[in-house]
Amino acid sequence: QVQLVQSGGEVKKSGASVKVSCKASGYTFTGYSIQWVRQAPGQSLEWMGWINTGHGNTEYSQKFQGRVTITRDISASTAYMELTGLRYEDAAVYYCARGSGTSRAGYYMDVWGTGTTVTVSS
Amino acid sequence: QMTQSPTSLSASVGDTIIITCRASQNINTFLNWYQQTPGNAPKLLIYGASNLQSGVPSRFSASGSGTIFTLTVTSLQPEDFGFYFCHQAYSGHTFGQGTKVDIK
Repeated sequence: QVQLVQSGGEVKKSGASVKVSCKASGYTFTGYSIQWVRQAPGQSLEWMGWINTGHGNTEYSQKFQGRVTITRDISASTAYMELTGLRYEDAAVYYCARGSGTSRAGYYMDVWGTGTTVTVSS
Repeated sequence: QMTQSPTSLSASVGDTIIITCRASQNINTFLNWYQQTPGNAPKLLIYGASNLQSGVPSRFSASGSGTIFTLTVTSLQPEDFGFYFCHQAYSGHTFGQGTKVDIK
């Protein structure tokens, strides 16, 4: 079945970096984009960026520009999200999601990853 | 900016609930709805303002275009309690603040 399995929870110190992986299975990896969304405790969802898994081009939310890098390894059907300069407010559950749809009819996230909890400590 | 209302509501099994999402600008029908139960990832319910995602029960429906959108759940079931988020994909991606649906 179609699924996205993410790497395990991480505990990082303030100022450090974290890299989260998202392994896709059950579909053609390069046929869909991968989006990254995070959710701080008790908060709504916040979009971080996405990658065109075929071409490798990316787009990032202005809020995270300069701190986030999204990459992919086609041979491993895996996407990665790295966030640098961690702050306490970066503590959240990070999700990858499969992007579907078209520019004409709109895009949506139809399959979500298992989530990765990132804790930022002093 | 996406504004949902209400931010929370209490309902009973069998009730019908309506959640509204307002966009700060015209987003055509580039509006999606997700459900999230505690401890789980969001789940796509509706895409393109009114299209039911495969496998989602028909008691879920949605409508709207431009700046005002609604999600309706009829005959509320125990598994429907949780959080609901709207999401615009017209200009970047923005989520509403969420609506908590709990048991009355």
